[in-house]
Amino acid sequence: QVQLVESGGGLVKPGGSLRLSCAASGFTFSDYYMTWIRQVPGKGLEWVSHITTSSSFTDYADSVKGRFTISRDNAKNSLYLQMNSLRAEDSAVYYCAREARSAVVYYDYWGQGALVTVSS
Amino acid sequence: EIVLAQSPGTLSLSPGDGATLSCRASQIVSSSSLAWYQQKPGQAPRLLIYGASSRATGIPDRFSGSGSGTDFTLTISRLEPEDFAVYYCQQYGRSPRSTFGQGTLLDIK
Repeated sequence: QVQLVESGGGLVKPGGSLRLSCAASGFTFSDYYMTWIRQVPGKGLEWVSHITTSSSFTDYADSVKGRFTISRDNAKNSLYLQMNSLRAEDSAVYYCAREARSAVVYYDYWGQGALVTVSS
Repeated sequence: EIVLAQSPGTLSLSPGDGATLSCRASQIVSSSSLAWYQQKPGQAPRLLIYGASSRATGIPDRFSGSGSGTDFTLTISRLEPEDFAVYYCQQYGRSPRSTFGQGTLLDIK
């Protein structure tokens, strides 16, 4: 069955860095676009970043552009999010999600989330 | 950027009732680009509906989606105890790639 497992969350000081990982299994990872979505606890969902199958194209929300970098390693079935210059407002649960293979974008599988807390 | 406004913010109903949740877009969106998700406390969102009206794999037929243009609806007939959760609509756009509504909390009356 499809599984997405995030890791790497934790407490970091403002201005610091953190790298999230998402281990995928149960499907051919290299065939799917992948996405990071975040959620402040008790609040709504915010799309963060997206990457195509071969990493040829990436995209970012304006709120993280220039600070976050999405990447993937298809040989390791893994998705990553490098987060630099972290701010308090980046504190959230970060979900990796698989984009369904469709002409339009929706997310058919989600990981359980990794909590990132940015605080001094 | 297309903004999705969900209403009501909270809907209080009883098991066995029917529920109607609304998602209104600030501009016309393609029906094929509208999806609905369910999120329970401490869990990740789960895909319910895509393409405005197609149920995802394993979703019971008491869940149905409809709408077009700027107005979309998620209908849940005969609420079961496990249906009480937060529901989000989501649409696919160019920039940003995806936006979500603020959510509707469906809670037990």
